[in-house]
Amino acid sequence: AQSVTQLGSHVSVSEGALVLLRCNYSSSVPPYLFWYVQYPNQGLQLLLKYTSAATLVKGINGFEAEFKKSETSFHLTKPSAHMSDAAEYFCAVSEVGDDKIIFGKGTRLHILP
Amino acid sequence: NAGVMQNPRHLVRRRGQEARLRCSPMKGHSHVYWYRQLPEEGLKFMVYLQKENIIDESGMPKERFSAEFPKEGPSILRIQQVVRGDSAAYFCASSPRTEDEAFFGQGTRLTVV
Repeated sequence: AQSVTQLGSHVSVSEGALVLLRCNYSSSVPPYLFWYVQYPNQGLQLLLKYTSAATLVKGINGFEAEFKKSETSFHLTKPSAHMSDAAEYFCAVSEVGDDKIIFGKGTRLHILP
Repeated sequence: NAGVMQNPRHLVRRRGQEARLRCSPMKGHSHVYWYRQLPEEGLKFMVYLQKENIIDESGMPKERFSAEFPKEGPSILRIQQVVRGDSAAYFCASSPRTEDEAFFGQGTRLTVV
């Protein structure tokens, strides 16, 4: 069964600094991988997804993630943090042929002025 | 094309009452998913439905919870005899196919008093 582990429930970075949110997955078959963002009192919005095409995936708002099969990782990065990036970020996995998306517990990103 | 619509946004119920949460998927989407989010927790999969069929209910509590997605009308998540532990945000998502990204509604925040 697939699973997702997000390292760090809270991450703080200074405005303008690199954002790195870590995600490791477990899957017995090639996975689909997703990053979602949730702003306070809102639903989830898809940032980007990996579906076995390019290993480096570019998403919205300047975010990108790299699929590394050898490390079973799908870390989310952004070169320069902005105050508006403060939110909760969820990594998720789905398997080909399965019907549901499994989410990690989330990482809350804090941006320091 | 309106997004996934959930109502009500906020619902307060006394212990023992019934809660009905509604979800209208995006136009053209026949796959509906329900997730529950507890404070400081990720999203937990509850149930996956297609029109008139429950495909996967492995995340549903065995008692008091039920879901439906009729041929006409929204999907309904029903919680009978609510208890304080049912207080959570319930999110609905829809997709046109299982391998496509899921679009989330803004959630229903259930408070049991």
